[in-house]
Formats: sequence, C-alpha cells, structure tokens
Amino acid sequence: AQSVAQPEDQVNVAEGNPLTVKCTYSVSGNPYLFWYVQYPNRGLQFLLKYITGDNLVKGSYGFEAEFNKSQTSFHLKKPSALVSDSALYFCAVRDYGQNFVFGPGTRLSVLP
Amino acid sequence: SAVISQKPSRDICQRGTSLTIQCQVDSQVTMMFWYRQQPGQSLTLIATANQGSEATYESGFVIDKFPISRPNLTFSTLTVSNMSPEDSSIYLCSVDGTGGYNEQFFGPGTRLTVL
Repeated sequence: AQSVAQPEDQVNVAEGNPLTVKCTYSVSGNPYLFWYVQYPNRGLQFLLKYITGDNLVKGSYGFEAEFNKSQTSFHLKKPSALVSDSALYFCAVRDYGQNFVFGPGTRLSVLP
Repeated sequence: SAVISQKPSRDICQRGTSLTIQCQVDSQVTMMFWYRQQPGQSLTLIATANQGSEATYESGFVIDKFPISRPNLTFSTLTVSNMSPEDSSIYLCSVDGTGGYNEQFFGPGTRLTVL
C-alpha cells in the first residue's frame, strides 16, 4: 500500500531564507510523486511532480523538489522564501493507474 | 490544465438535511474524483465517478450517504445526505491530467458547516 509522511506539522522560516518542506513515501513500485499547495479558502494548486529522469525537478513559483530513492524522500525546496509562500503544503504519491494518497500536510509560515 | 468550478462555494446547513454540490469542468474528462478534507486534516478520496456507470466508493464511504451523479463528461454532483456536524468539511472535486502518471487538477472546494 502507498503511504506518505510529512514529519513536520509546521515549518517557520524568515523571508529571504531558504525553505525545505519534508516528505517521505512508501510505494510498492515506481513512485510518482507530487507537491500541492493550498492557500486559505482555496482548492489545491499543483506545484510540481516527479515521474522519471532528473532527481531535481522544478515547478511553479520558484519551487523545486529533490527525489532521493535511497532515502525514499521528495523534499520541497525554495532558495528564498516569500511571505506569500505561507500556505499549507501537501505531498502526494500515486502508483500508475491508482488513486492519489496525500500526506497530512505541512503548514509553512514565512515571517517578514 | 483543466478549469474546474464548484457550487456552492460554502454553505451552512442544519442537521438532518442534504446538500448537493456541483462540479463543472471546462473540458470532457473520463473520470472525476470527489475528496473530503476535514478541518485541519488531509484529503481523503470519497469516490471516483465515471460517466455512464455507478461511482466507485472508497472504504468508509457509502452511496446512501454520498450519492453521486455523472450525467455527462463535464459535470458531476455529490450529495451529502442526512448531515451531521461530523460532515463539516471542505469537499473538493478533481480531474486527471492526460496520461497515466499525471497530476490532478482541483476545484476551489465547497466549505460545508453543519449545525
């Protein structure tokens, strides 16, 4: 069975500093990994995905994520955080032809 | 990417009543998905709706409580029946991108409060 863990409920970072939101996963086959962001009173917005190829994937709004197979991780990163990045972030995994499984979410607060 | 709209955006309902949530997509899609996001929680898949067939429900969700319609390739409804305060959640619909590995696109959600 697929599962996703986000070990931090909350991440606080100062504006301009780099940010990392952690995600680890468990799948039986090849992992298809995704990051979504949810702003208050909004639906989920897709940020980026890893299917195959380069371990570092780039996405929307300057975010990137690094796939690490040996550590079964897919951490979300951004070199310089903005106050407007403050939101709820979800990591998700999907096996081919299967449904999504979402992690519990991490609330990111970027402090001015 | 697909553009998805939902109605209503929010509602406050009384215990024991039912609410039907509409989801409209700007393109034809084979499958539509309904999720529930309880307060402070992650997303849980309720069911998958294919046009022309019965919806497929996940464990813990039943058709009598969450009947779903899928009359055409761009529209679906989810009804939350005989509501209780425990049904207070955000309900989201989504559709797949093209291909088998792709992301899902989500509607803005319907915030339901049951008193």
